[in-house]
Amino acid sequence: NAGVTQTPKFQVLKTGQSMTLQCAQDMNHNSMYWYRQDPGMGLRLIYYSASEGTTDKGEVPNGYNVSRLNKREFSLRLESAAPSQTSVYFCASSGGLAGASEQFFGPGTRLTVL
Amino acid sequence: AQSVTQLDSQVPVFEEAPVELRCNYSSSVSVYLFWYVQYPNQGLQLLLKYLSGSTLVESINGFEAEFNKSQTSFHLRKPSVHISDTAEYFCAVSSYSSASKIIFGSGTRLSIRP
Repeated sequence: NAGVTQTPKFQVLKTGQSMTLQCAQDMNHNSMYWYRQDPGMGLRLIYYSASEGTTDKGEVPNGYNVSRLNKREFSLRLESAAPSQTSVYFCASSGGLAGASEQFFGPGTRLTVL
Repeated sequence: AQSVTQLDSQVPVFEEAPVELRCNYSSSVSVYLFWYVQYPNQGLQLLLKYLSGSTLVESINGFEAEFNKSQTSFHLRKPSVHISDTAEYFCAVSSYSSASKIIFGSGTRLSIRP
């Protein structure tokens, strides 16, 4: 099992460009998440999907959109990238009881916006 | 609303010395508590968790944490650290009603000196 996979690993964008970060999990988990990690701020939730067909905003959703394509895949889109979106992005998934389940993380995407 | 405070951003210790990483939380409902570890250039991995029952929980690599409801704390301890414990550690909180969302602290970077 690959667990949670993310593509790409690294990306450099210019201000105003768009891109989609891809995430897939092979653990048959219902819930999937997108976080950003910035120095000294821990992980902040951007969007999450509690089950296939549903998505909800997290703590910092502005400037992002998501799509839960199917149970396996959850993508994050930046429509018009800004330097403030320079960060490391992590996708995660979890199954089981609400709130009590371990989250499994992907290896991250390091994004730089110039 | 729930929140997590990790009081120390960095903790330097000598190899084989004991260490304590502090975590305090706030919540108006019963909580689940987690410690995640992030090794350099990797995603987060679950280290240990408290859901209910015994307030002392242990990991397979010698870490332990104690849930203290009166002090709203969940400090992480290890009696003797190794170079391989060098990583960033994140405390996190959730609840049954949180729809699988968890709130992460800002992280504590543990650096081990030989």
